[in-house]
Amino acid sequence: DGGITQSPKYLFRKEGQNVTLSCEQNLNHDAMYWYRQDPGQGLRLIYYSQIVNDFQKGDIAEGYSVSREKKESFPLTVTSAQKNPTAFYLCASMKMIGTPDNQETQYFGPGTRLLVL
Amino acid sequence: AQSVTQLDSHVSVSEGTPVLLRCNYSSSYSPSLFWYVQHPNKGLQLLLKYTSAATLVKGINGFEAEFKKSETSFHLTKPSAHMSDAAEYFCVVSSPGGYNKLIFGAGTRLAVHP
Repeated sequence: DGGITQSPKYLFRKEGQNVTLSCEQNLNHDAMYWYRQDPGQGLRLIYYSQIVNDFQKGDIAEGYSVSREKKESFPLTVTSAQKNPTAFYLCASMKMIGTPDNQETQYFGPGTRLLVL
Repeated sequence: AQSVTQLDSHVSVSEGTPVLLRCNYSSSYSPSLFWYVQHPNKGLQLLLKYTSAATLVKGINGFEAEFKKSETSFHLTKPSAHMSDAAEYFCVVSSPGGYNKLIFGAGTRLAVHP
């Protein structure tokens, strides 16, 4: 059963704590992305990675960090430097090499909702 | 610079009536355009996408969208709304470049009444 999984579904963060959100895909996709969604807004790009061991900052990378040690996995750490972390976090993946019809489509996971205690 | 404007933040229709969700885009290039749907507390699901082939694009669940270059629009339509269509809909444009950055509209919340 192919797809993108995110865990946990809900995550609670205490003041000053770092927390890590998991994103795994078994679609053999090359690129992976992290987005943040706030109420009434579209998605904003945090980080993206096109290949293993390489990643780039998106529009709102401050207070976040990522790693890409495996093609299937792209975990996101919300650090204590992120002062307003409460949001819905979505991971996506995309196949970079393929038919034109599939090349640009990003597929999304179910999301993780992060709440601050 | 590319941008997307969804002209209505909320749309309310009765079950069985047509749905129209409006989207205008701005792009310096020939864009790829998408519509995604999001049900509450869920991820985004691709409804349809335009990539410079046919201007009328058919998607899942009876939705379709028409690319009109002269009007820079990509409106989403469905002939007959179903209760299960109630969700948030996002119009998205793909930015050219190596990593296919997506530019999201703010979303339109569709309510369907019996």
